[in-house]
Amino acid sequence: ETGVTQTPRHLVMGMTNKKSLKCEQHLGHNAMYWYKQSAKKPLELMFVYNFKEQTENNSVPSRFSPECPNSSHLFLHLHTLQPEDSALYLCASSQEAGRYGYTFGSGTRLTVV
Amino acid sequence: EDQVTQSPEALRLQEGESSSLNCSYTVSGLRGLFWYRQDPGKGPEFLFTLYSAGEEKEKERLKATLTKKESFLHITAPKPEDSATYLCAVQGGESGGGADGLTFGKGTHLIIQP
Repeated sequence: ETGVTQTPRHLVMGMTNKKSLKCEQHLGHNAMYWYKQSAKKPLELMFVYNFKEQTENNSVPSRFSPECPNSSHLFLHLHTLQPEDSALYLCASSQEAGRYGYTFGSGTRLTVV
Repeated sequence: EDQVTQSPEALRLQEGESSSLNCSYTVSGLRGLFWYRQDPGKGPEFLFTLYSAGEEKEKERLKATLTKKESFLHITAPKPEDSATYLCAVQGGESGGGADGLTFGKGTHLIIQP
């Protein structure tokens, strides 16, 4: 256990469904991130939150909607996804935005059918 | 735009056979270069951060070095448990990976055979 917990670990959803991914950290970190990891591709930064404020939205489609109610929790709300959105979604946190390296969760393996 | 290229894509070694993984990068104002290890079905695990050319860091059988254009991850006398995908990432001073985010390479898949 790294200190960053992601739920669920696996998710299968239809293209018309609405679901949410959850990330929780109790490391006292101020910054939280969502990354997408697809086969044969580098990790892609999706969103950055620093002290609960979104500081980065890396041109992510609106069918992905992040929410950060406090410094310990991060959500990714999903709706009307496409099959190409199937991937491993990783949450990470850091003490200061990126400076000391991230602590990653184990990810949510998402399959869109 | 920040870019990271890792080579080789895959590497198969015998136990005890030392080697090096390469990470070439272009970045506007390097704030940090990061190495991670990722096991199947898990998130990346932080290994090292390097901040300036000439810096070196070691952890057990791993040693990371940094120049102005590339970083190497040297693996000395590896064991089967060192098998994993090793990821390199950079944080630049301007947008690319973003002011706060990291830009990752595709990784090197390392297999150590007993």
